Amino acid sequence: AQRVTQPEKLLSVFKGAPVELKCNYSYSGSPELFWYVQYSRQRLQLLLRHISRESIKGFTADLNKGETSFHLKKPFAQEEDSAMYYCALTNTGNQFYFGTGTSLTVIP
Amino acid sequence: EAGVVQSPRYKIIEKKQPVAFWCNPISGHNTLYWYLQNLGQGPELLIRYENEEAVDDSQLPKDRFSAERLKGVDSTLKIQPAELGDSAVYLCASSLDGRMGGEQFFGPGTRLTVL
Repeated sequence: AQRVTQPEKLLSVFKGAPVELKCNYSYSGSPELFWYVQYSRQRLQLLLRHISRESIKGFTADLNKGETSFHLKKPFAQEEDSAMYYCALTNTGNQFYFGTGTSLTVIP
Repeated sequence: EAGVVQSPRYKIIEKKQPVAFWCNPISGHNTLYWYLQNLGQGPELLIRYENEEAVDDSQLPKDRFSAERLKGVDSTLKIQPAELGDSAVYLCASSLDGRMGGEQFFGPGTRLTVL
């Protein structure tokens, strides 16, 4: 069975500090991994996906198949990064699974 | 463009009453999703449509939940009868197509409270 695990419910970092939001997954095939973000009073929206291999708002995420991880990283956190972050996976059957989310607070 | 539209935004009902949620996806998006999000949890897929066909409804509790997407555009999700445990946010999302890796665009959600 597919599963996405985000071990941290809450994460607080100071402005300018590096931030890493952890995501581990279980899937025997080749999944597509995503990070979705929900800012306060806004809709859930795509932040980035591993197939694009791009950096969005300074965030990057590398798919590590050996460790089955897709951690989200940013070298210098900003106050506007405070939000709820969800890691998500889709499989070859186009089924979609979200993690339970990590609430990031960037302290000024 | 308004994006994915959902109504109502909030709904309060008593248990055993029926309730319906409506979703209008982004124009041209063939794939439509309904998710359930409980407090403190991530969204959980209830049903996925490709045009008017429900291609994945394995997580939809069919004894009380039903959905339809007539003409492959708007969709309605119904609960009858509602139970206390159905209190949650119901999210609708759409994507251009259902290909693996495609971006989903979410609506604002409907927050259901069952008393």
